[in-house]
Amino acid sequence: EDQVTQSPEALRLQEGESSSLNCSYTVSGLRGLFWYRQDPGKGPEFLFTLYSAGEEKEKERLKATLTKKESFLHITAPKPEDSATYLCAVQAYGQNFVFGPGTRLSVLP
Amino acid sequence: DAMVIQNPRYQVTQFGKPVTLSCSQTLNHNVMYWYQQKSSQAPKLLFHYYDKDFNNEADTPDNFQSRRPNTSFCFLDIRSPGLGDAAMYLCATSRDREYEQYFGPGTRLTVT
Repeated sequence: EDQVTQSPEALRLQEGESSSLNCSYTVSGLRGLFWYRQDPGKGPEFLFTLYSAGEEKEKERLKATLTKKESFLHITAPKPEDSATYLCAVQAYGQNFVFGPGTRLSVLP
Repeated sequence: DAMVIQNPRYQVTQFGKPVTLSCSQTLNHNVMYWYQQKSSQAPKLLFHYYDKDFNNEADTPDNFQSRRPNTSFCFLDIRSPGLGDAAMYLCATSRDREYEQYFGPGTRLTVT
């Protein structure tokens, strides 16, 4: 059975304090790994898709990387507006998305 | 802007009283999904449509039904809501099954 775990469950950072969020997965035949941002009371917002180990994607202060067992979302010099829950999802070939429980990020000014 | 729209944003219903949530999209995507998300949990897929082809998840309760009358619209019907059905309901679309999904803002359902 495909599984996704995310760590830490919650993370508090000071503004400007860089850190990384982890998404670990077990899936037979990874088709893609997806990162989303979700603000309270809203739907998830698509950030990145990663397809193969070694791939990296960047957007503003966010950088996503992928290995054969996990993905990291690196946040460089975060700002308070980066506070949100970050979800990752994996998809095996021919299967639906499996979401992780998310990491709640708080960035304090 | 192309988008996924959900109505209403907030819905209050009584225990056992049927309720319908709606989703529309201007992205012209082939696939539409319904997820249930409870507080601090991962979204849980209820079902999806690939064009008109309906796909039900094995553990989706019979109490939940869906309709997709055309490409743009999809409805979630909860026939007899229980207290355990209180949740955020998310609609998502994707160009095809193996592409990123785009979510609507969600409908927060309260059951009294």
